[in-house]
Amino acid sequence: SAVISQKPSRDICQRGTSLTIQCQVDSQVTMMFWYRQQPGQSLTLIATANQGSEATYESGFVIDKFPISRPNLTFSTLTVSNMSPEDSSIYLCSVEGDFTDTQYFGPGTRLTVL
Amino acid sequence: KQEVTQIPAALSVPEGENLVLNCSFTDSAIYNLQWFRQDPGKGLTSLLLIQSSQREQTSGRLNASLDKSSGRSTLYIAASQPGDSATYLCAVGDNQGGKLIFGQGTELSVKP
Repeated sequence: SAVISQKPSRDICQRGTSLTIQCQVDSQVTMMFWYRQQPGQSLTLIATANQGSEATYESGFVIDKFPISRPNLTFSTLTVSNMSPEDSSIYLCSVEGDFTDTQYFGPGTRLTVL
Repeated sequence: KQEVTQIPAALSVPEGENLVLNCSFTDSAIYNLQWFRQDPGKGLTSLLLIQSSQREQTSGRLNASLDKSSGRSTLYIAASQPGDSATYLCAVGDNQGGKLIFGQGTELSVKP
């Protein structure tokens, strides 16, 4: 299994500002995933982050709005830029297990934009 | 485009009852299917993973089945307990890249 931590656990931000969310894994992993869970909704994949290459974004998500960094095999950041109230969500990162397709999720970052 | 649906959206049962949660998907060309549990204010906990070549997986009181041809999966919970109260999410992996497509979840409440 993998143990994943995220910082911050929650934040309240003003419209127009940006927030960077950190995701740390206790082991080296090839791919990391960033998901968004809007209020009352299920999870939607934002992007897949591989170390050493540009992140791959899903339809409806763009790099200018959600820039992602993946500097090494245990760490990634997701920035939510120029925030609006519609960005209020829980943001979660996940990884696949070393020898299994099971995905492990971090505890999430609860973002509220005023 | 793959779509995942979970029925019912919410379920309330008395403690000790056996129950079934349903998940359906529109494209049978899946790589795997996972069931997760989400507790309020917490992340997701993986419960069971079924590969596309498998029919079922069991862990303790949980049993998940997969019927690819009909696009369905069920999660069976035996002898439910109040601690089972949570939202249960079904997610389909549609390729080896790890991308998961989630259903809307079933919110389960087990009453003592």
